[in-house]
Amino acid sequence: AQSVTQLGSHVSVSEGALVLLRCNYSSSVPPYLFWYVQYPNQGLQLLLKYTTGATLVKGINGFEAEFKKSETSFHLTKPSAHMSDAAEYFCAVSEGPGRRALTFGSGTRLQVQP
Amino acid sequence: GAGVSQSPRYKVAKRGQDVALRCDPISGHVSLFWYQQALGQGPEFLTYFQNEAQLDKSGLPSDRFFAERPEGSVSTLKIQRTQQEDSAVYLCASSLAQASYEQYFGPGTRLTVT
Repeated sequence: AQSVTQLGSHVSVSEGALVLLRCNYSSSVPPYLFWYVQYPNQGLQLLLKYTTGATLVKGINGFEAEFKKSETSFHLTKPSAHMSDAAEYFCAVSEGPGRRALTFGSGTRLQVQP
Repeated sequence: GAGVSQSPRYKVAKRGQDVALRCDPISGHVSLFWYQQALGQGPEFLTYFQNEAQLDKSGLPSDRFFAERPEGSVSTLKIQRTQQEDSAVYLCASSLAQASYEQYFGPGTRLTVT
């Protein structure tokens, strides 16, 4: 069985500050890892994904994440927050070809203060 | 191009009523997924189709939930004899091919059971 833990249900940063959203996972097989963003009353939009290869993954809107197998982590970062980054962020894991369903964390709401 | 669309966007049902939720995936997408998102939680997997075949229905919470995709395109999630705990946002996602792990989400249907 796989699971995802997102530390911090709410994170508040100042505009221009570093964004760090934490995600730890458990998986019995090499995981496929994803970050999604959800704006109010909208569906989820894929920010970035890790499947194989380079462990530092760059996504849209200046976000990136690093897969650290030894720490079972996939934290999301952005060097400088923008007001438009305020949203709910979800980390998700898939077991890949064997089971393609995504298992999501409970989400982190990011607030950006002016 | 058009994304994943879902209808209705909002549905209010009285306890005991049957409801049907529709998902129109992106044209040509082979895989289709249904997720349930309770308030303040991450989405939870319900079921998965590849073309018209339902390959995984392990997440359906009870036999009151039924999904179909008869022609390998549009899908319908049906909930019989709705109960208050069925109140949630139901998200549909589609994916281009079996080997693709990028799921594109629709805006969801918010179901409220009174």
